[in-house]
Amino acid sequence: ILNVEQSPQSLHVQEGDSTNFTCSFPSSNFYALHWYRWETAKSPEALFVMTLNGDEKKKGRISATLNTKEGYSYLYIKGSQPEDSATYLCASPYYGNNRLAFGKGNQVVVIP
Amino acid sequence: DTAVSQTPKYLVTQMGNDKSIKCEQNLGHDTMYWYKQDSKKFLKIMFSYNNKELIINETVPNRFSPKSPDKAHLNLHINSLELGDSAVYFCASSQEPGQGNTEAFFGQGTRLTVV
Repeated sequence: ILNVEQSPQSLHVQEGDSTNFTCSFPSSNFYALHWYRWETAKSPEALFVMTLNGDEKKKGRISATLNTKEGYSYLYIKGSQPEDSATYLCASPYYGNNRLAFGKGNQVVVIP
Repeated sequence: DTAVSQTPKYLVTQMGNDKSIKCEQNLGHDTMYWYKQDSKKFLKIMFSYNNKELIINETVPNRFSPKSPDKAHLNLHINSLELGDSAVYFCASSQEPGQGNTEAFFGQGTRLTVV
């Protein structure tokens, strides 16, 4: 079993505010860390796939960092907008293949 | 063009029936997957399949079986449906798995309701 945990489970953010949340994963036998954005009634879409310790990736106002030694990744949303409302899923692959173990997600609601 | 498409989007059926969910990807990927979103909204891997290997999550009942007529399709067959099979099922694909560092592309899900 590969335990991937995300916190907080849900958060409400005022429009324009920045926010961040955490994904924890086993640091031993690390292969990669995926972040997906999942809007209601749509399919999860990949944001980032990260592999290197200390890596930082950015897509628009969303960025992520990775610490493989301590087993965590942060996702940041800068200047939240209503369209950022979604569930953000973190996942790590089992045993070096692409079968992903997902966390429960961080549900973000941006309040206009 | 939809990269990963599943049909049907909704499926309501009676207990004991046998049903299939179809999945097709037009991305040229080598590996396809089925995930189940359980009652707690968790996405859990059921199967992964490429032309070399089928990997089955040991918690999946053998009433569930994937069938791949070709590289672009991975259909999910479910025999003797039970109430507890009600869930949303997601198909996904990715390039050759490598070390798990390629993003997965998901279908929009099939909501299965067993009555």
